[in-house]
Amino acid sequence: DVKVTQSSRYLVKRTGEKVFLECVQDMDHENMFWYRQDPGLGLRLIYFSYDVKMKEKGDIPEGYSVSREKKERFSLILESASTNQTSMYLCASILRGALSGNTIYFGEGSWLTVV
Amino acid sequence: AQSVTQLDSQVPVFEEAPVELRCNYSSSVSVYLFWYVQYPNQGLQLLLKYLSGSTLVKGINGFEAEFNKSQTSFHLRKPSVHISDTAEYFCAVSVGYGNKLVFGAGTILRVKS
Repeated sequence: DVKVTQSSRYLVKRTGEKVFLECVQDMDHENMFWYRQDPGLGLRLIYFSYDVKMKEKGDIPEGYSVSREKKERFSLILESASTNQTSMYLCASILRGALSGNTIYFGEGSWLTVV
Repeated sequence: AQSVTQLDSQVPVFEEAPVELRCNYSSSVSVYLFWYVQYPNQGLQLLLKYLSGSTLVKGINGFEAEFNKSQTSFHLRKPSVHISDTAEYFCAVSVGYGNKLVFGAGTILRVKS
C-alpha cells in the first residue's frame, strides 16, 4: 500500500514562529502537493512539486514556501506563522503518467493552530 | 482556470432514502473527475473516479456517479443511505501537467434516523 506520512498530526504554534510541516511518501512518486482545507472552502492548493528541487505555486502560495531536497520528502514552511494560517494541511502524492491511473494519495492531515 | 462547484453545502436525508450530491465543473479541455469522502477527523478517501469510457462509474460503499459532458456535471448518487455515510464529500477535477486536483467546497451529508 502506498503510504503518505505527515509527521505531525496536531501542532500549536505562536504567531511569528517558523513552522515546518513534513511529508514523506514511500512509493517513488514524482509529484507531490500541499493543500490546506478550511470549512466551506474545500481544499486549496498551496504548492506542488514534480521533481526534486522543482516547485510551482498553487492557488494560495502567499505566506508559504516549500522544499523538496529528496524525492520522497516534501516540506511546507511557514516563514512567520499568522493566525489566519490556522488550518488543516494535507499532503498528497501521485505517480506521474498513465500508469498512475490518476490516483492521488493523501496523508492523514496536520492540524495547525496558530495562537 | 478550471473550477468545481458543489451546489449544496449540506444535504440532510433520512436513513434508507436515496441521495444525490451535485457537482458541476468548468473546463475547456478533457478532464478526469473524482469524488472523495472525508469522515470526521480522518483523511480523504477516494470513492470513485472517471477517467474515460462508460459515463456511469461505480465506486465503493454503493456510491455511483454519472459523467455528463454536455452539462459538465458529475453528480454522486446512492440509492439507500446509512447512518455511517454521514461525512463530507468532495468533488474534484484533475487538470493539466502534474495531475493537480482542483476541489469543490464540499458537501456535508447528514443521515438521520
